[in-house]
Amino acid sequence: NAGVTQTPKFQVLKTGQSMTLQCAQDMNHEYMSWYRQDPGMGLRLIHYSVGAGITDQGEVPNGYNVSRSTTEDFPLRLLSAAPSQTSVYFCASREPYGGPDTQYFGPGTRLTVL
Amino acid sequence: DQQVKQNSPSLSVQEGRISILNCDYTNSMFDYFLWYKKYPAEGPTFLISISSIKDKNEDGRFTVFLNKSAKHLSLHIVPSQPGDSAVYFCAASRSPSGTYKYIFGTGTRLKVLA
Repeated sequence: NAGVTQTPKFQVLKTGQSMTLQCAQDMNHEYMSWYRQDPGMGLRLIHYSVGAGITDQGEVPNGYNVSRSTTEDFPLRLLSAAPSQTSVYFCASREPYGGPDTQYFGPGTRLTVL
Repeated sequence: DQQVKQNSPSLSVQEGRISILNCDYTNSMFDYFLWYKKYPAEGPTFLISISSIKDKNEDGRFTVFLNKSAKHLSLHIVPSQPGDSAVYFCAASRSPSGTYKYIFGTGTRLKVLA
């Protein structure tokens, strides 16, 4: 099993550009989520999904879109990047009724918006 | 407003000694707490958890203590090893359900000196 994979590892964007951060898991987990990590802020939940076709907002959803067409993939879209979106982004997946020891994080995408 | 706080951004400990990492929370509705460990360029990995019905949970060298009246939890690592050098996040949630969400602290960087 590859676990949770994220691409790209690094990305530099200009203000106003759009891009998609990819996340995939091969553990057949129904629950997937996106977090951002900023200095002094910890990890904050952006969006999550409890299964294909179902998504919901987390703490900091503004500026991001998600969709879940398959169990395996959960892409995060930035429609018009802003410097405030400079951060490290983590995707995670787990079994819906599993404990926290079933939650796995990807290695992260470091995004810089100039 | 940070609902989960880790007031020490960093901690240095000699190898073989005890490491104590602290975490405070403000929301009395939280009843499930956990610690994640994060190495550079990797995603967080689950370390240990505790439910509010307990005041202590132990797993090998790692013990988490919960003081509900003080809204405080701590992670003890005994004995500390150089491989424990990482960033440690505490997190809290309400009673786990299918969509339970974690609120993370800001992290404490532990350095274990050989």
